[in-house]
Amino acid sequence: AQTVTQSQPEMSVQEAETVTLSCTYDTSESDYYLFWYKQPPSRQMILVIRQEAYKQQNATENRFSVNFQKAAKSFSLKISDSQLGDAAMYFCAYRSETSGTYKYIFGTGTRLKVLA
Amino acid sequence: DAGVTQSPTHLIKTRGQQVTLRCSPKSGHDTVSWYQQALGQGPQFIFQYYEEEERQRGNFPDRFSGHQFPNYSSELNVNALLLGDSALYLCASSPLTGGLYEQYFGPGTRLTVT
Repeated sequence: AQTVTQSQPEMSVQEAETVTLSCTYDTSESDYYLFWYKQPPSRQMILVIRQEAYKQQNATENRFSVNFQKAAKSFSLKISDSQLGDAAMYFCAYRSETSGTYKYIFGTGTRLKVLA
Repeated sequence: DAGVTQSPTHLIKTRGQQVTLRCSPKSGHDTVSWYQQALGQGPQFIFQYYEEEERQRGNFPDRFSGHQFPNYSSELNVNALLLGDSALYLCASSPLTGGLYEQYFGPGTRLTVT
């Protein structure tokens, strides 16, 4: 069974600085999708970035980028030029497919605090 | 274009009671998944519905059941509520095929069991 591990329960970053959130996963599949979701206090899960395992190039979305190391099964999120609005819970997720359907497996989350 | 909507926002129930939560998927989405998010934890997959059938189920007891309607909206039913069922229940929608493989989440229903 696939597992997702986020080993940093909480991280802090100074406004305008860069922070990296860690995520590791375990799977025997060769093709899969990985995601980072943000959950602010409003509770709505918002997609931050997506990575297809078959793509060697790391995904980038504006200030957000990932460092995807397939062999190491590592998928970290880098937030550049941190803003106060980035403060939230961040969840790493793995998309698991079974018999034509799928589910997401989430890590336990990292709470990001942005200091003014 | 409305996103995923859920109702109610908050709900308080007593142990042993039954509860029904509702979800309307994003326009154009035909697949609905339900997740339970306990306080301080990541979401846990409950089940997924497509074409009005349960297609995949997570490790949840039979007290948790669901339904999908022809308009793709869905309900989550929980019977014989336990204190441990207190959580945020998230609904997510997506197209089963095609698309970019991400799920869109609703704002959730906060269930408190006393």
